[in-house]
Amino acid sequence: RKEVEQDPGPFNVPEGATVAFNCTYSNSASQSFFWYRQDCRKEPKLLMSVYSSGNEDGRFTAQLNRASQYISLLIRDSKLSDSATYLCVVNGRVSGGSYIPTFGRGTSLIVHP
Amino acid sequence: SQTIHQWPATLVQPVGSPLSLECTVEGTSNPNLYWYRQAAGRGLQLLFYSVGIGQISSEVPQNLSASRPQDRQFILSSKKLLLSDSGFYLCALILGPYTDTQYFGPGTRLTVL
Repeated sequence: RKEVEQDPGPFNVPEGATVAFNCTYSNSASQSFFWYRQDCRKEPKLLMSVYSSGNEDGRFTAQLNRASQYISLLIRDSKLSDSATYLCVVNGRVSGGSYIPTFGRGTSLIVHP
Repeated sequence: SQTIHQWPATLVQPVGSPLSLECTVEGTSNPNLYWYRQAAGRGLQLLFYSVGIGQISSEVPQNLSASRPQDRQFILSSKKLLLSDSGFYLCALILGPYTDTQYFGPGTRLTVL
C-alpha cells in the first residue's frame, strides 16, 4: 500500500459545481496534513493545512478523519481558475530533526465553462 | 517572509554531462532544505534533505549528490547525467524544527538529450 494515495482523476466539472477529493494515508502516526495546489509547469503552493476539527477558507473546506486515515478537500462553486492538480501531503516521518513530507501523486481538476 | 531562488530556470544538457543546480534562500535562517524531482506526469520524489550546513541525507541512491556549503545555499549535482534525470527539480524549505509547513522554489526544468 502506498503511503499517500489519491485518485488521479481527472475530475472534469462545470463552473459552479461542487467537487470533493479524498486522500488516504498509511502511517497512523502521521502528525500534520496539507493540501497543495500545483498549476501546470509550476511549483506546488500551499492551499491549506488540515486539522481534525476541519477548516474552511472561502470556497475550500478540508477535513481530517484520523480513525479512517483519510483527508478530504471540498471545493464549492468551482471557478475556471481552480483548474490545477491538487496534492495531498502528510508529515508522517521525522528524521534528524526534520519533517519528511510524503506527497500523493495528485488529483487533476479541470473546470470547464 | 522567506523567498527561495532557483537557478537556472531551464536547462538542456547532453547525456554524460555534469550538472549543478543551485537553490538559495532569503528571509530566514537555519531552514531545513529539500530537493525534489518531478518527472513528466509523475509525483514528487524526494531526493535529498538537509537540516544544516554540511548535513545531507539521501532518500534515493542514484547518480545525484547534494551539498549545503552555506546555511541558505543548497546545491544539487551530478557528474554524468542520464536520460532518466530529466524532470522538474524543486527546492523546498521548512522553516525550522518546530514548524511543519513546506514552501517551494520556482523550480528548474531539466531536459537531458
